[in-house]
Amino acid sequence: RKEVEQDPGPFNVPEGATVAFNCTYSNSASQSFFWYRQDCRKEPKLLMSVYSSGNEDGRFTAQLNRASQYISLLIRDSKLSDSATYLCVAYKSNTGNQFYFGTGTSLTVIP
Amino acid sequence: EPEVTQTPSHQVTQMGQEVILRCVPISNHLYFYWYRQILGQKVEFLVSFYNNEISEKSEIFDDQFSVERPDGSNFTLKIRSTKLEDSAMYFCASGGVLAKNIQYFGAGTRLSVL
Repeated sequence: RKEVEQDPGPFNVPEGATVAFNCTYSNSASQSFFWYRQDCRKEPKLLMSVYSSGNEDGRFTAQLNRASQYISLLIRDSKLSDSATYLCVAYKSNTGNQFYFGTGTSLTVIP
Repeated sequence: EPEVTQTPSHQVTQMGQEVILRCVPISNHLYFYWYRQILGQKVEFLVSFYNNEISEKSEIFDDQFSVERPDGSNFTLKIRSTKLEDSAMYFCASGGVLAKNIQYFGAGTRLSVL
């Protein structure tokens, strides 16, 4: 079973739309969760951390549900520049630090 | 803004050769990572490194791979006897002490094995 699972999409939405991505993780021992953004052939860049209380950064809202092992990302008022692949990431620290990446969800915002 | 730098940006090698991918993490960071991303696939964790030793490694990180921090600034990934399927983008990342679960990625090295 994959550590982190995401719907790969693609999601094609018009400018101004609201779009939501979902992610599930399998290991209840995972401690922290993140959304990263990856542009084509570029490195992943941290978009935001995800907390059980929910957190918002401008047009982006992330939410963690530990009971359901479920993570979400909501993007409001989509911009053309939001087009990218969004990666769900779980972090676990046992003997060391390990990050588990989902396959990513592709978003294209259409003019 | 401090950044993780990786060299070279593109490495071409013949099957069976050894390659060394280089990374300079952010200067005051203590946690270091290597990842692999085969074209069109997900980012895969290879290894994490802390206090001059490997702290975690994945199943991918077998005897073909090794990491080293030869001095105070560089963090290298050596791949011995490269195979065609080693062709991928290799990303280095580093993290600080205060927030070790926050990592910053380099721009990556594209490895092409011919």
